Amino acid sequence: DTAVSQTPKYLVTQMGNDKSIKCEQNLGHDTMYWYKQDSKKFLKIMFSYNNKELIINETVPNRFSPKSPDKAHLNLHINSLELGDSAVYFCASSRTGAGVETQYFGPGTRLLVL
Amino acid sequence: GEDVEQSLFLSVREGDSSVINCTYTDSSSTYLYWYKQEPGAGLQLLTYIFSNMDMKQDQRLTVLLNKKDKHLSLRIADTQTGDSAIYFCAETPGSGGYQKVTFGTGTKLQVIP
Repeated sequence: DTAVSQTPKYLVTQMGNDKSIKCEQNLGHDTMYWYKQDSKKFLKIMFSYNNKELIINETVPNRFSPKSPDKAHLNLHINSLELGDSAVYFCASSRTGAGVETQYFGPGTRLLVL
Repeated sequence: GEDVEQSLFLSVREGDSSVINCTYTDSSSTYLYWYKQEPGAGLQLLTYIFSNMDMKQDQRLTVLLNKKDKHLSLRIADTQTGDSAIYFCAETPGSGGYQKVTFGTGTKLQVIP
């Protein structure tokens, strides 16, 4: 069984469009994350939710809006896509979000904005 | 803010040891991690070390921590072609509450058969 899954795996779209990426974890974890990995493989946290509540919100444009309908899901909606949004977006989860914990990563969503 | 730096690339021959280095700036770092990212995949935790330790060994992996110099290294003994991947150093302050993990820039390890 896949622990952390993301859909879609690949997303190619035009500038200005709105798109969503979905993430689900079946590990029973309380905390979920979105990371962005750029073309140089630099990985940066965007958001984190614990039990559907936002706990980490890095400096991310307002065009990015995470939504957590329940603690097993954390979706990312992006409005008015720009060329610079092209990256690989990783969802991750951890048991509580505190202390030393393994973060379990999804396979990534490769977004290409044309 | 926190900064975690790594060299970008390392090439070794199969069977040799690999040493991947990392430096960090946050003196309150409490937990330090090594993650591995294989091509086209997400990150997987390899090992971690608490800041009150200076060494941790786990099979072929040895982690060394020099807290004074804020330097972390990962040694892979008898490196295999399956070890080819990008390795990320990461840290959390561990000051309580929810933790933000700061990842390094990643080191791409190439193992030559």
